[in-house]
Amino acid sequence: SAVISQKPSRDICQRGTSLTIQCQVDSQVTMMFWYRQQPGQSLTLIATANQGSEATYESGFVIDKFPISRPNLTFSTLTVSNMSPEDSSIYLCSALRVNTEAFFGQGTRLTVV
Amino acid sequence: GQQVMQIPQYQHVQEGEDFTTYCNSSTTLSNIQWYKQRPGGHPVFLIQLVKSGEVKKQKRLTFQFGEAKKNSSLHITATQTTDVGTYFCAGHGGANNLFFGTGTRLTVIP
Repeated sequence: SAVISQKPSRDICQRGTSLTIQCQVDSQVTMMFWYRQQPGQSLTLIATANQGSEATYESGFVIDKFPISRPNLTFSTLTVSNMSPEDSSIYLCSALRVNTEAFFGQGTRLTVV
Repeated sequence: GQQVMQIPQYQHVQEGEDFTTYCNSSTTLSNIQWYKQRPGGHPVFLIQLVKSGEVKKQKRLTFQFGEAKKNSSLHITATQTTDVGTYFCAGHGGANNLFFGTGTRLTVIP
């Protein structure tokens, strides 16, 4: 198994600002992902964080709004840029090795006011 | 794109009753995984099914993978209050990314 440390756990931000969420895994993993989850809803995949190259974004998500970095196999960041109240959500990072289960960080509860 | 639907969306049961959630994918899956998310928590892995028609049990939980590898089910026998949470199935996409089902939120009434 892997332990994922995600921070911050929650934040309240002003609209128009940006927030960077960090995710640190305690062991090397193959894949890292970022999800968004509205309370009571399912997980929506934002992007796959690729080590040393640009992230692969899912339909509806773009790099300018959600820049992602993954400088090594155990660390990734997601930035939510130019925030609006619609960006209020829970953001989760996830990691897995090929064909194994996914492990999740504790999540970041973001409120944009 | 890949879609993974679950039914029902919500389920309220009396403690001791059984519960089943069904998962259907628009595409054939290489495997299916199940996760449980407690209120306020993050998803936690329960099990992975790989083979067509596979059935696995974990105590009161029974997991099945359909013959066509496009559907799956989770059945809980004699629910307990500790079973409360949202149950998600998940399937791998072509790039090994993981797509989650819509989830079934289970409430157990004591």
